Amino acid sequence: KAGVTQTPRYLIKTRGQQVTLSCSPISGHRSVSWYQQTPGQGLQFLFEYFSETQRNKGNFPGRFSGRQFSNSRSEMNVSTLELGDSALYLCASSLDTGEEKLFFGSGTQLSVL
Amino acid sequence: SQQGEEDPQALSIQEGENATMNCSYKTSINNLQWYRQNSGRGLVHLILIRSNEREKHSGRLRVTLDTSKKSSSLLITASRAADTASYFCATGPRESQGNLIFGKGTKLSVKP
Repeated sequence: KAGVTQTPRYLIKTRGQQVTLSCSPISGHRSVSWYQQTPGQGLQFLFEYFSETQRNKGNFPGRFSGRQFSNSRSEMNVSTLELGDSALYLCASSLDTGEEKLFFGSGTQLSVL
Repeated sequence: SQQGEEDPQALSIQEGENATMNCSYKTSINNLQWYRQNSGRGLVHLILIRSNEREKHSGRLRVTLDTSKKSSSLLITASRAADTASYFCATGPRESQGNLIFGKGTKLSVKP
């Protein structure tokens, strides 16, 4: 079974631009979560989607948004990029049948210049 | 906000030695999980211990949970150079599954 796939692996953008990151969960997994990881703040929860609905949202500004498609694939979008958005963005999927462990992708390393 | 806090922040040991990492958390939990992250990569789930369990083993890993002290420890026995990574504990609120709250991690370095 293929793991969680995130694309692209690396991304360089400039301030003010917007970016879209993609995540394909493990086949059969219906829950997708997104996390931001920075050296200063560590791993912070962005949002979680299940069956195309946002189920939980972390404490991030409205510039951060996401969606999930009917095939469980998910995208997150960051508009009007700021220098502080530079981070490793991690996507994780789970079955959502009571098994709580998450399966993570390798992440997208975003650099904002 | 961080729920778990790992201790120590960094740990350096020789191959063959045991490594112990601790995690403290603040609110009541359904379970506590440990994950490993190799530099710049995604996290890998290691072990999950439920709130009604006190100890769990998986290969060279041993996890304990003390809900009265709101703390957990991860022991890696007979460490190998390949165990070099950051280790994170994670807890989730009872009503949600994907919303895990991670600590800042312990960076383990195992020298050959």
